[in-house]
Amino acid sequence: AQSVAQPEDQVNVAEGNPLTVKCTYSVSGNPYLFWYVQYPNRGLQFLLKYITGDNLVKGSYGFEAEFNKSQTSFHLKKPSALVSDSALYFCAVRDISGYALNFGKGTSLLVTP
Amino acid sequence: DGGITQSPKYLFRKEGQNVTLSCEQNLNHDAMYWYRQDPGQGLRLIYYSQIVNDFQKGDIAEGYSVSREKKESFPLTVTSAQKNPTAFYLCASTQGIGGQETQYFGPGTRLLVL
Repeated sequence: AQSVAQPEDQVNVAEGNPLTVKCTYSVSGNPYLFWYVQYPNRGLQFLLKYITGDNLVKGSYGFEAEFNKSQTSFHLKKPSALVSDSALYFCAVRDISGYALNFGKGTSLLVTP
Repeated sequence: DGGITQSPKYLFRKEGQNVTLSCEQNLNHDAMYWYRQDPGQGLRLIYYSQIVNDFQKGDIAEGYSVSREKKESFPLTVTSAQKNPTAFYLCASTQGIGGQETQYFGPGTRLLVL
């Protein structure tokens, strides 16, 4: 079975500081990994995905994520946080044979001025 | 949210009533999905469809039904058998069915019970 875990319910960061939102995964075989962001009462917006190749994936709005196979992690990062980055972030995984995504429970990011 | 529309934005259900949530996409995507979102539980898969006139149950299909008569439409019916329907419902689609495909989401419908 495939799954992801987001160990932090909430992350607090000061504006201008780097941010990290953690995600670990469990799949059989090679994973396809995704990050999405959700603003209140809105649908999910795609940020980035890892399929294969470079372990550092760059995405929308200055976000990036690092795939670490040995640690089975796919942490989301941004060098300098903005107040507007405050939202709910979801990590998701799909294995090669799967169709739908398995989502983590989400991490609420709060960036304070 | 562009390309996938969901209606209505808010929906109220009375006891014993069936209600239908609409999902339409103009992306020419083959596959469509319905998820349920509850606070602190992430998204859970209700149904998905890879092709017209075919669909499969997800993890929490009980109390729900779907149809896929047209490529662009994937309506979800919440039946009276669903005893706890209050949630945020999200529709998504992918161009193909490969594992690397990105899912794109609609804006969601919030269902409330009167």
